[in-house]
Amino acid sequence: EAQVTQNPRYLITVTGKKLTVTCSQNMNHEYMSWYRQDPGLGLRQIYYSMNVEVTDKGDVPEGYKVSRKEKRNFPLILESPSPNQTSLYFCASSLDRGWETQYFGPGTRLLVL
Amino acid sequence: SQQGEEDPQALSIQEGENATMNCSYKTSINNLQWYRQNSGRGLVHLILIRSNEREKHSGRLRVTLDTSKKSSSLLITASRAADTASYFCATGTASKLTFGTGTRLQVTL
Repeated sequence: EAQVTQNPRYLITVTGKKLTVTCSQNMNHEYMSWYRQDPGLGLRQIYYSMNVEVTDKGDVPEGYKVSRKEKRNFPLILESPSPNQTSLYFCASSLDRGWETQYFGPGTRLLVL
Repeated sequence: SQQGEEDPQALSIQEGENATMNCSYKTSINNLQWYRQNSGRGLVHLILIRSNEREKHSGRLRVTLDTSKKSSSLLITASRAADTASYFCATGTASKLTFGTGTRLQVTL
């Protein structure tokens, strides 16, 4: 089954404790993105990747890191989480035609205390 | 930044009625997409319309695009309770896809 998986689905952590949210897709997609969703703000892109070892900042990259060592995986790293990073996070992937028909993961709900 | 703005923010209709949502954006685009999100879940792609297209249909969905007015509309015909969700437009360029803030649709029996 074609899908995008994220782990963990729910996470409660404390300020400053490094964490990683994993994202994996099995569709051989080249494009992958991370978004955060906050009430009233819609989805905002954090980082994106157009291929292995090719990543770039989205609209809200501060406080986040990503890596793309393999085509299928695109982890999101919070080196020192802060309460303002409490949010619902989505990973997405799309076909090599670019930003068309993105397939979303189920989401990771993060609470930073 | 370039962003789609949906209107209305919330819409409540009865089952069987049609639902219309609008999206306005600011700059040139390659395509415009509509996604659906059930409460707290991942977004699901509904339909894509390219900048050189004016109208597109998919099942009970009809999308129009007016590039001169920088606006799009999504029509859901004969709505069902299962259509209750948030709907987002997203504008696509060569470099990125930008989402709006969404319309929350409630379909009651």
